[in-house]
Amino acid sequence: DSGVTQTPKHLITATGQRVTLRCSPRSGDLSVYWYQQSLDQGLQFLIHYYNGEERAKGNILERFSAQQFPDLHSELNLSSLELGDSALYFCASSVGQGDYYGYTFGSGTRLTVV
Amino acid sequence: AQSVTQLGSHVSVSEGALVLLRCNYSSSVPPYLFWYVQYPNQGLQLLLKYTTGATLVKGINGFEAEFKKSETSFHLTKPSAHMSDAAEYFCAVSSSGSARQLTFGSGTQLTVLP
Repeated sequence: DSGVTQTPKHLITATGQRVTLRCSPRSGDLSVYWYQQSLDQGLQFLIHYYNGEERAKGNILERFSAQQFPDLHSELNLSSLELGDSALYFCASSVGQGDYYGYTFGSGTRLTVV
Repeated sequence: AQSVTQLGSHVSVSEGALVLLRCNYSSSVPPYLFWYVQYPNQGLQLLLKYTTGATLVKGINGFEAEFKKSETSFHLTKPSAHMSDAAEYFCAVSSSGSARQLTFGSGTQLTVLP
């Protein structure tokens, strides 16, 4: 157990729907990062939050949004889902802003859009 | 901008043989470099990292990597492969500065043959 908790582990939904993925960072970590892993795109950085504030955006679609709450858990919202959104979504956390310490990853949420 | 290239998407070695996984990076500022391992249906686990100081870094499970600035490389090695080393390995780079998120390579699938 890495200490980073992601729920749900698996999610199957239809095109056009909206889903919310949840991440609880490791105790004491202030940063949360979201990554998308797919066979064709590899690991793509989506967004980074530090202590409730958005710090960086990567290849995140406008249909996707995220936030980090006062208790430091984070949610990734995916809307108007398309087949191509099927992927593994990872959350990672770090103590500071990550680059020195590296990240601790959760086990991911596997999203299947049908 | 930073990028990572992992040479060889699939590497096969015999049990007991040397493991060598190649990683080259591009960064406009001194990089922080990481190797992560991903076992099936799991998240990524940090193997080792280079930030500053000694260029040969040792990680978990007998792995080590050497930072070579002149070659912009950070290859991962292990003297003797074990069956349990079979997994996917990711090299990642972070540039100290405003862009703090990790950029990952496309991964190398390591197969260990009996």
